[in-house]
Amino acid sequence: DTAVSQTPKYLVTQMGNDKSIKCEQNLGHDTMYWYKQDSKKFLKIMFSYNNKELIINETVPNRFSPKSPDKAHLNLHINSLELGDSAVYFCASSQSYQETQYFGPGTRLLVL
Amino acid sequence: AQSVAQPEDQVNVAEGNPLTVKCTYSVSGNPYLFWYVQYPNRGLQFLLKYITGDNLVKGSYGFEAEFNKSQTSFHLKKPSALVSDSALYFCAVKSYNTDKLIFGTGTRLQVFP
Repeated sequence: DTAVSQTPKYLVTQMGNDKSIKCEQNLGHDTMYWYKQDSKKFLKIMFSYNNKELIINETVPNRFSPKSPDKAHLNLHINSLELGDSAVYFCASSQSYQETQYFGPGTRLLVL
Repeated sequence: AQSVAQPEDQVNVAEGNPLTVKCTYSVSGNPYLFWYVQYPNRGLQFLLKYITGDNLVKGSYGFEAEFNKSQTSFHLKKPSALVSDSALYFCAVKSYNTDKLIFGTGTRLQVFP
């Protein structure tokens, strides 16, 4: 029973392509997040959604667009991929903004 | 502004010895403090958190952390290290009124047999 799952696990693509990463949580949580971990392992929040409503939108290029079809899913769509987008992207969820965030296994994106 | 500092990039300890991974924070208001561990090519696993109450918090795998308000620290400790504890450890903080979790830069723990 995977609590927070992400697909795909690995994603290798060419510059300029558009790609999506999917995230699903079966914990019944209200809030979901996307984080980016760069090559130096630095973790930074990108977005958070609460009950399908965007709460946090950090200074992320507008090529990145999160979409939450329901509160159990938060997908990340990336347009016109650039070399600098190569990173590990983690999805997370929490019951509310006050509670512990639980992370998915990550999606390793490599842009060539 | 919220911030977290993990002053050590790497901590080396012999198996069976006690370990400490340091973390200091800056946040307005009461802090919510967390420790996560990341094993190679894996996601982050929650270890423990401090919200309120007893300053000594016990978590998974025998880890504990002590909240020190005057020193704004939340160091992670374990009385006896295992080789399997070798991983990357992240401290994180957020203010009570936001869900924006700020992570430290991580500390790599290496436990030698």
